[in-house]
Amino acid sequence: DAKTTQPTSMDCAEGRAANLPCNHSTISGNEYVYWYRQIHSQGPQYIIHGLKNNETNEMASLIITEDRKSSTLILPHATLRDTAVYYCIVRAVSSGTYKYIFGTGTRLKVLA
Amino acid sequence: EPEVTQTPSHQVTQMGQEVILRCVPISNHLYFYWYRQILGQKVEFLVSFYNNEISEKSEIFDDQFSVERPDGSNFTLKIRSTKLEDSAMYFCASSDGDRAYEQYFGPGTRLTVT
Repeated sequence: DAKTTQPTSMDCAEGRAANLPCNHSTISGNEYVYWYRQIHSQGPQYIIHGLKNNETNEMASLIITEDRKSSTLILPHATLRDTAVYYCIVRAVSSGTYKYIFGTGTRLKVLA
Repeated sequence: EPEVTQTPSHQVTQMGQEVILRCVPISNHLYFYWYRQILGQKVEFLVSFYNNEISEKSEIFDDQFSVERPDGSNFTLKIRSTKLEDSAMYFCASSDGDRAYEQYFGPGTRLTVT
């Protein structure tokens, strides 16, 4: 699985968009980008994933560059409840179980 | 909304004792996982389980660890002889067949080995 690089921490004002970058320059053609987050000491929570097209769901948007070497997770209107560690994980799709390798992620702090 | 549950929320045990951590995955899910997180460190994969057998395991998951799905609803992690370094938060997760990438995590069991 390709390695990812994320900033250690970021701040965002409440109500503003939070843009969390991830570099994955060695991503290969069959690898997807997955985002999870971990609020305080809870279990991680799935947010979104994508291959090459931009994706949007009720939680966030995922923008993947054309060369697929980087991506950005966007929380359009961050709230205090979005304060968490955000993990960008790259791995190939599986027909069975998914073993996720979590890195250190980006600690996002949403400020009132 | 269905959720993964884990019991107990906190377990304190003495070094060398056996512990069993219990999880009830979401009912129609097919894939099951255990991860652990030592305080202040990364979330680490331990093992994945499908069709009543282990699919994959990490180096951490040595002979002291075992998993079982004894009755079709519970999914357990047993540590045979606990060590101090087993102290961590243990998370169970499950996912279904159509969206296998979307793992639902439980709230965790904090294991403290003294």
